[in-house]
Amino acid sequence: EVQLVESGGGLVQPGGSLRLSCAASGFTFSSFWMSWVRQAPGKGLEWVADIKGDGSEKNQADSVKGRFTISRDNAKNSMYLQMNSLRAEDTAVYYCGRGWLANWGQGTLVTVSS
Amino acid sequence: DVVMTQSPLALPVTLGQPASISCRASQSLVHSDGNTYLNWFQQRPGQSPRRLIYKVSNRDSGVPDRFSGSGSGTDFTLKISRVEAEDVGVYYCMQATHGPGVTFGPGTKVDIK
Repeated sequence: EVQLVESGGGLVQPGGSLRLSCAASGFTFSSFWMSWVRQAPGKGLEWVADIKGDGSEKNQADSVKGRFTISRDNAKNSMYLQMNSLRAEDTAVYYCGRGWLANWGQGTLVTVSS
Repeated sequence: DVVMTQSPLALPVTLGQPASISCRASQSLVHSDGNTYLNWFQQRPGQSPRRLIYKVSNRDSGVPDRFSGSGSGTDFTLKISRVEAEDVGVYYCMQATHGPGVTFGPGTKVDIK
């Protein structure tokens, strides 16, 4: 059974940093593109970033370019999102997803507020 | 950039009756490989999104057959043949043809009359 478990969310001040993790199991992790998608409170879904199975290709939304970095460690079956220079508008539940979002985790809440 | 629109944005439905949601893309979603990467997701209240349909009309494992997807080019439809109480939630279309990344529609909120 495919399982994706996000962690690392919390309350952070504007300008601060946070690192999210996504632990994967139940499939051959290195074979799949992985994505981060976020959902601001009461809003819709927004793609944030994705990364190829071997880590050789990465893409980010314009809204986070230069501030967020996606990475993965296939030996640990894990994906990460390093978030720097956080803004209030980054407040959201962050989900990790497998492939073209066939599977999603339960999400982790990031709140940016002073 | 591809813009996805959905209509209606709110859909009150009667239990046991059919429901239909429209999704339109600002440009054709036919990929150079011949596939059309248009997916549908359901998000029940308080839950993570769940994929229902991939590549326009393919149901994911475990998805009831009352859900069906159709369409081509820029116009797509998700249909529920007979709405059940567990179908309440928000439905999103998403395109993955034009990268980088994916683009979601704004969502259609389905609730019971």
